[in-house]
Amino acid sequence: DAGVTQSPTHLIKTRGQQVTLRCSPKSGHDTVSWYQQALGQGPQFIFQYYEEEERQRGNFPDRFSGHQFPNYSSELNVNALLLGDSALYLCASSLGRGYTEAFFGQGTRLTVV
Amino acid sequence: GQQVMQIPQYQHVQEGEDFTTYCNSSTTLSNIQWYKQRPGGHPVFLIQLVKSGEVKKQKRLTFQFGEAKKNSSLHITATQTTDVGTYFCAGMTTDSWGKLQFGAGTQVVVTP
Repeated sequence: DAGVTQSPTHLIKTRGQQVTLRCSPKSGHDTVSWYQQALGQGPQFIFQYYEEEERQRGNFPDRFSGHQFPNYSSELNVNALLLGDSALYLCASSLGRGYTEAFFGQGTRLTVV
Repeated sequence: GQQVMQIPQYQHVQEGEDFTTYCNSSTTLSNIQWYKQRPGGHPVFLIQLVKSGEVKKQKRLTFQFGEAKKNSSLHITATQTTDVGTYFCAGMTTDSWGKLQFGAGTQVVVTP
């Protein structure tokens, strides 16, 4: 049983560009959450998708958007990249939205130059 | 907005010693979860606490949820080198259902 898989594992982009990160949840999970983790910090909640809709959102600008597909996989899009967007982007899947453990993927390391 | 704070930020422990890390929330939580992240790895779920005053044990790890559901602690006894990593608490409120707010973590270094 594959866990949460994310692609790509590493990415280098130029300021102003756009990026799409992908996540396949653990088998049987229907909820996907995205987090941004800067070096030495805790994961910061970006948003959560359930039933193909954004259900919760953290304090991130509209440049951050997402999508969930019928097979529960998800994408995170970031437009107009800034140097400060450089971070590890983590996808977590769960069964349901609340009282349930989250399984994290290995993350995508994004570097903006 | 909701804030989750963890202390200490760093914890150097001699192998075999005990230590405790603390988590405090500015708001009442519906539940709290603890995760461990090894260097270069991703967060891995350890435990979830839901009830006021709840205590759960996992071998050498003891987790507590405060009576007011605004604080939590993780106590590790007889620390081993395998305990190295960063321990995060993450809380959720009923107002922001599904949104896990992580603390900054306690980075644990174990000296043999």
